[in-house]
Amino acid sequence: AQSVTQLGSHVSVSEGALVLLRCNYSSSVPPYLFWYVQYPNQGLQLLLKYTTGATLVKGINGFEAEFKKSETSFHLTKPSAHMSDAAEYFCAVSRLDTDKLIFGTGTRLQVFP
Amino acid sequence: DSGVTQTPKHLITATGQRVTLRCSPRSGDLSVYWYQQSLDQGLQFLIQYYNGEERAKGNILERFSAQQFPDLHSELNLSSLELGDSALYFCASSVVTGSGNTEAFFGQGTRLTVV
Repeated sequence: AQSVTQLGSHVSVSEGALVLLRCNYSSSVPPYLFWYVQYPNQGLQLLLKYTTGATLVKGINGFEAEFKKSETSFHLTKPSAHMSDAAEYFCAVSRLDTDKLIFGTGTRLQVFP
Repeated sequence: DSGVTQTPKHLITATGQRVTLRCSPRSGDLSVYWYQQSLDQGLQFLIQYYNGEERAKGNILERFSAQQFPDLHSELNLSSLELGDSALYFCASSVVTGSGNTEAFFGQGTRLTVV
């Protein structure tokens, strides 16, 4: 069975500071990994995804994530937070034979001026 | 704008009632997914349809059912509603299926409140 664990339901950073949102996965087969962002009163938007190949994945809005198989992690980072990054972030996993996404519980990011 | 349209945006109904949520996928997308987002359960996959046929089933209650029509729009029917069914219901769509790495585009959701 697949699962995703997001450490920290809330993360607060100052504007300009590093953003680090943690995600660990469990999968018996090679996973596909995703980060989605949800702004207030909106649906989910894909930030980035890892399928195969390069383990460092760059996404939209300056975010990137690194797939580390040895640590079963897929942490999301951004070098410098912006006020507009305040949102809820979800890590998700799927696998080759299915398209359904298994989501983590989400991390709410707050950015202070 | 993801291109996925969900109606209605908000729905308030009483316990025991039945409601229908509607989803129009992005143009050209054959696959439709339904997810439930609640405070206690988080984001849960309910069901997937591909080109009119049920493709995958998740934690969907027997009181819930869905279908995808020939024009590819989908409806999620929720019956005998309980207070615990109050949640945000998302529809998502994607072009292909079976590859696992397909990007799903999400609608803005229908917020269901059962009173």
